[in-house]
Amino acid sequence: GDSVTQMEGPVTLSEEAFLTINCTYTATGYPSLFWYVQYPGEGLQLLLKATKADDKGSNKGFEATYRKETTSFHLEKGSVQVSDSAVYFCALSDGVTGFQKLVFGTGTRLLVSP
Amino acid sequence: EPEVTQTPSHQVTQMGQEVILRCVPISNHLYFYWYRQILGQKVEFLVSFYNNEISEKSEIFDDQFSVERPDGSNFTLKIRSTKLEDSAMYFCASSKQVDYGYTFGSGTRLTVV
Repeated sequence: GDSVTQMEGPVTLSEEAFLTINCTYTATGYPSLFWYVQYPGEGLQLLLKATKADDKGSNKGFEATYRKETTSFHLEKGSVQVSDSAVYFCALSDGVTGFQKLVFGTGTRLLVSP
Repeated sequence: EPEVTQTPSHQVTQMGQEVILRCVPISNHLYFYWYRQILGQKVEFLVSFYNNEISEKSEIFDDQFSVERPDGSNFTLKIRSTKLEDSAMYFCASSKQVDYGYTFGSGTRLTVV
């Protein structure tokens, strides 16, 4: 079945450092790809998405490019802030059934220190 | 910005008791979902709901679970006889169209003791 693999956390960075969180996927069809963020004590918020190969999703300084050839959707940010500390989830939706069931990775905790 | 509202935010229940988790999806959304996240583990799909019926469910969603949209605005998840392993954060979500991202609620933390 479909699956998503994320790098293990926590990722610990200093403020203004460059961030990469790796995500690779396995899917039989042509999935849409998502990054969700979960701040402490809150629910899941959609951060960005890409629906086809070579699409780049971006939001709040974060970006990720849908790479079909490497089945990857790595999350990047040029300069992280303390407020970016959260758990980041990569997810896919194959939409084969016509419904957007999401398959999530295990999440990567990001800790940013001043 | 429209929100998905879940109540209660935290519920503690005794093993074997029935619980109902409540959700108010965004008003013009048509697709509804429940997910759960056991502490420290990945977010797992439970069930999707469209046109007043279940469209897909996971292996987790056994006979102990049921969903209902009783009045056109609320969307509920019922667990008939809770087990310790049902302790988790339960997230409701809704979407307008199948190719849109979801809007998730902030979750209900269920603790079974």
